[in-house]
Formats: sequence, C-alpha cells, structure tokens
Amino acid sequence: GNSVTQMEGPVTLSEEAFLTINCTYTATGYPSLFWYVQYPGEGLQLLLKATKADDKGSNKGFEATYRKETTSFHLEKGSVQVSDSAVYFCALSRTLIGGTSYGKLTFGQGTILTVHP
Amino acid sequence: KAGVTQTPRYLIKTRGQQVTLSCSPISGHRSVSWYQQTPGQGLQFLFEYFSETQRNKGNFPGRFSGRQFSNSRSEMNVSTLELGDSALYLCASSPVSVAVANRVGYGYTFGSGTRLTVV
Repeated sequence: GNSVTQMEGPVTLSEEAFLTINCTYTATGYPSLFWYVQYPGEGLQLLLKATKADDKGSNKGFEATYRKETTSFHLEKGSVQVSDSAVYFCALSRTLIGGTSYGKLTFGQGTILTVHP
Repeated sequence: KAGVTQTPRYLIKTRGQQVTLSCSPISGHRSVSWYQQTPGQGLQFLFEYFSETQRNKGNFPGRFSGRQFSNSRSEMNVSTLELGDSALYLCASSPVSVAVANRVGYGYTFGSGTRLTVV
C-alpha cells in the first residue's frame, strides 16, 4: 500500500538557519506529492506540490523536488523565520495507470518545527 | 471568498452518544473529504464525497458515516462514541472531481476542523 515516511522530529532551529525535512514515499502508479503546513489551532494549508518526476514545487521560500529514483520529496528552506514554526506534513495522492485514481491523501506523521529568534 | 467552514469548532460528548459534524465547502467545490487527526495515528482518511456520492472510504468501522447534500455541504456522523474517537476531524474540499484533482496534483483546501472530545 501507499505510505509516507517523514524524518523524526521535533526540529528546533535558530532564525535564518537552513531547513531540511526529509520525506520518502512508497506508492504504485504515479503519485502526486504535497507538503502541507498546520499552524497551532488551525487546519492544514497546502504549501507546495509536484505532480511528476523532477518537478520542483515552491512557495514562500520553501522548495521540494520530486525524486522518483530515490522516492523522495524533501522540504527545504534557505532561511527560516520564527513565523515558520508549525507542523509540516508530507503527503501523496495516487493515480494509477489508465486514469483510475483515488480521492484520498496519505500523510506522513508530521514534523514539528520550532524556530527561535 | 469564504474558505471551508466546519461546525462546531469544539464538541464534548459522552461515551455511547452520537455526534454529527458539518462541513461547508468553498462555493463551487463539489468534492468533500474527511480526515481524522490524532496524536497516535496522525491523519487518517475517513471518506470522500463527490456530487452526493461516496467515492472512497477509509478503514474505519461502520459507526462512522457521512453524506453530502445537493449544495455540496457534507455531514459526518459517529454513533456509539468511544473514548478513542476523541480527535480533530478535518474536512477538505476540491472544485474538481477527484480523478482530475489527483491527475493534476490539485491539493485540497482544508477547514480548521472540529475538535471532538469524548468523556
């Protein structure tokens, strides 16, 4: 079945530090990959996405590249801010050959990021 | 435009009772999905509705059910509540069919959730 594995957290960084959150996946077919962010007391917000191999998703200074050969979609940001403190979720949705697809996202366990001034 | 609206935001119920949660998707969105979020299990898919039809269902017992109305609003119901049902229930909507959404990598828009506590 499908699965997403994220690096263990929590991650604590100082402001302006470089961020990497690792994400690897297992899926059949051709999944689309996503990063979602959840701020305290809120729902999930789509941060970025990629639909095929070698695609790079980017938003608000965050980037992730769809690596089919390593089945990875690591999240990076060059300089984090205190306001980036949140929980980050890697997720996939699966589309099978022939167009049959499934209306669900499979999420990783989430990585808590805390950024100190 | 208004986002995905979930009501109520917080709910406390007693074991054995039943509960109904509501989700109003973004105007024009026809697909609604439900997820359960707990510290132990993380985010788990419950079910998905498109044009009033259930399209997909996760691995939850039959006590969990849902429906979608002609205006795309959706409700989920949990009967005979158990302590383990305490969770944040999130609803997500998408404007297109799930087949199209997945093919083009369209992420869903989530609501802020309903926090259910079973005592």
